[in-house]
Amino acid sequence: AQSVTQLDSQVPVFEEAPVELRCNYSSSVSVYLFWYVQYPNQGLQLLLKYLSGSTLVKGINGFEAEFNKSQTSFHLRKPSVHISDTAEYFCAVRRETSGSRLTFGEGTQLTVNP
Amino acid sequence: KAGVTQTPRYLIKTRGQQVTLSCSPISGHRSVSWYQQTPGQGLQFLFEYFSETQRNKGNFPGRFSGRQFSNSRSEMNVSTLELGDSALYLCASSSSTGSNEKLFFGSGTQLSVL
Repeated sequence: AQSVTQLDSQVPVFEEAPVELRCNYSSSVSVYLFWYVQYPNQGLQLLLKYLSGSTLVKGINGFEAEFNKSQTSFHLRKPSVHISDTAEYFCAVRRETSGSRLTFGEGTQLTVNP
Repeated sequence: KAGVTQTPRYLIKTRGQQVTLSCSPISGHRSVSWYQQTPGQGLQFLFEYFSETQRNKGNFPGRFSGRQFSNSRSEMNVSTLELGDSALYLCASSSSTGSNEKLFFGSGTQLSVL
């Protein structure tokens, strides 16, 4: 079985500051890694994904994440956040053979203050 | 291209009743999966359908069921509703069942059980 732990439930930051949202995972088999964002009253939108290859993955809206196999982590970063980045962020894993079945972390509420 | 459409957007039911939620995937997508989102349990996988066949099932009681039609539209049904079934139910579609396929989520159906 897989599990995902997001280490911070809430992250408040000021506008234009850098941010890192932390995600650790556990799995006995190879997995793909994802970050999703959820704005209020909306569904989930894919920010980025790691399937293989370069461990630094760039996504939409200026976000990037680094896969660290030895530490089983997949932290999300943005060098300068905007008010519009305020949302809930979910880290997720998917087994290479499990179709569309995602295992999600508990979520991190990012609040960007002026 | 229209996105994933879920109906209804909001639903209020009482304990013991049953409910049916609908999901229309993106045109051409044949895989539909369902997730339950609650403040306490987070996002949990319910089931996945591909070409009218259930491919994956999460750890939910038999009161939760689903089906997929030949046009790829999917419905999920919850019988004998309990208070704990109150949740946002999200549907996601993709063009195939490959684990590297991008999932597109709908805005969800907010179910309240009184």
